[in-house]
Amino acid sequence: EGQLLESGGALVQPGGSLRLSCAASGFTFTTYVMSWVRQAPGKGLEWVSDISGSGSTTHYADSVKGRFTISRDNSKNTLYVQMNSLRAEDTAVYHCAKVVLHCDGGGCHARYFDLWGRGTLVTVSS
Amino acid sequence: QSVLTQPPSVSAAQGQKVTISCSGSSSNIGSNHVSWYQHLPGTAPKLLILDNDRRPSGISDRFSGSKSGTSATLGISGLQTGDEADYYCGAWDTSLSAWVFGGGTILTVL
Repeated sequence: EGQLLESGGALVQPGGSLRLSCAASGFTFTTYVMSWVRQAPGKGLEWVSDISGSGSTTHYADSVKGRFTISRDNSKNTLYVQMNSLRAEDTAVYHCAKVVLHCDGGGCHARYFDLWGRGTLVTVSS
Repeated sequence: QSVLTQPPSVSAAQGQKVTISCSGSSSNIGSNHVSWYQHLPGTAPKLLILDNDRRPSGISDRFSGSKSGTSATLGISGLQTGDEADYYCGAWDTSLSAWVFGGGTILTVL
């Protein structure tokens, strides 16, 4: 069925940077789109970013566009997100998730998330 | 403010049935599949329902999903204390070209 294990969360000052990792196992990592989803304290889930299996295509939520960069190393079965110019509102638990796609004549998009990690906490505070 | 609207909380007695609603628009629920997730803080969210009304392997038939127009509903029957969690609906939004979640619903089993 698979497993996802996030790491890299930490306390960081506003304006700082951090890189999160997500180690995948139990499935053919390279064939799946992967996403980052976060949950701020007391808030709901928020989709952050996704990346194609090859790593060639990425998408971002408007709230992180230009500051976060998603990437993957298929040789290591690992997903990353580089977070720069961090703000207090980026404080959240960050989950990685495996995406199942829906594809039709209009292209492909996420259909659902069938495997999640338990997350890693990022706290942005001075 | 979430794109999909869920009630903040629901409650029902052990053994009873509860439903959780998820309201959206023509650009998300009205034109794309809905999925539901169960989340206990500190743990990995779990997929409960995919494609509006299908259960993944290993999910109890006490959980059910339905969709009508721009709204979806999660049903949980035979409530158990172990069902206490946060529940989220989600769907692709064609206009936003982004995945959207509901704000989440806290389930309390009395």
